[in-house]
Formats: sequence, C-alpha cells, structure tokens
Amino acid sequence: ETGVTQTPRHLVMGMTNKKSLKCEQHLGHNAMYWYKQSAKKPLELMFVYSLEERVENNSVPSRFSPECPNSSHLFLHLHTLQPEDSALYLCASSPRAQRGGSDTQYFGPGTRLTVL
Amino acid sequence: DAKTTQPPSMDCAEGRAANLPCNHSTISGNEYVYWYRQIHSQGPQYIIHGLKNNETNEMASLIITEDRKSSTLILPHATLRDTAVYYCIVSVNTGKLIFGQGTTLQVKP
Repeated sequence: ETGVTQTPRHLVMGMTNKKSLKCEQHLGHNAMYWYKQSAKKPLELMFVYSLEERVENNSVPSRFSPECPNSSHLFLHLHTLQPEDSALYLCASSPRAQRGGSDTQYFGPGTRLTVL
Repeated sequence: DAKTTQPPSMDCAEGRAANLPCNHSTISGNEYVYWYRQIHSQGPQYIIHGLKNNETNEMASLIITEDRKSSTLILPHATLRDTAVYYCIVSVNTGKLIFGQGTTLQVKP
C-alpha cells in the first residue's frame, strides 16, 4: 500500500460514454499527477496539480479533463474517447511539485481502461 | 525524451547482488538521479535518489560516479519479487518525471 488509491481498477467503455477516474491520496501531499501508460510505451505525464492548481498540461487532448477539488482528490473525466486511448492510467502524489521540492512520487495501482 | 540510457534487460540469480547501470552523460549540476521500479501491472515504486554522494536505504544502494555521468543501482540480495522494470530518471525536482524504457530485471531461481 502506497497511500494512493485509484478507482475503478478496471473500466470498459464505449466511445460515446462519459466516465470518470478517481484518485485519492492519504499522505498529506500537495501535488498530484496523472500518467498514461500504453502497451509497450513508457509512462507519459499528462497533468500536474500543485496546491489544487493545474501547473502542467502535456498537450493532452480535450477529451481528457482533469479536476482537483482539494489536495487529496484528483479526477480524470473521460468523454468521447478513442480505442487508442486504451491504457493504464496512473495517479501519483508528492510533497510538492515545484523547483526545490521532491520528485519522490507515490503511485496508485492504476486504472486499466479499455475503449471499445 | 529521457536523458538516461539503460540496458533493455538483465538477469540475476536469486540471492546475488543485482547491479543495474545507468548513463546520464548530459546531467546538469542541479539534477538528481532517481530510481523507480514497476512490477508487472502495478504502479511504479520509488526506490532511491541522490545528487552527488552515494546513498543507501532499506531497499537498495545508489552509487554515483564522481563526474556524475553514470550511476549504478545495487540490490544487495535479489529475490524473485525484485523482478520488475527499473527506471533511472534525472530530474531537477519540478515534478516532471520523464520515464524511459528502463531495464527489465529478471531474477531467476
């Protein structure tokens, strides 16, 4: 257990569906992250939130919409996805995401997403 | 692009030390060296990090060369549960970890 939980663990959705991924951290951290890991590819950073403000958006398509209502919770809202969006979506947290902070990130177990 | 180079795969006998190399010849003075690992179908796990000095914790040791252009992660007594992909990452602590392909370590009985 890393102190970062993700739900659901598995999700199958059609291209016209709307769904949300949830992440919760119990570590008192101020920064949270979304990563995407496609088959046979390295992890790709999608979004970074620091103190509930988005500080990074790595050219992610608008069909992915993040939300960080407080420092403990992070959501990824999904709509009109494509089959190539099928991947493992990982959430992570760290003490803070600023220069001089730490890149010791704690990852959740991920959500395995399949888009039909 | 990742700023590190790692061998794609390595084998290690159970109970022996696993030495995983990483080249980071373009590392800058304020970049740290981080190591993470990812066991199949799980989220990555932080192992250790360092700037200049060698570091040791309950999981592993990190040896950084004097010129900081390369480093070695040492798992002193590898077990089957250490089979994973190991990632070496250089970072200035801004939260933007860039993962490469890593080294797949296979620990064999």
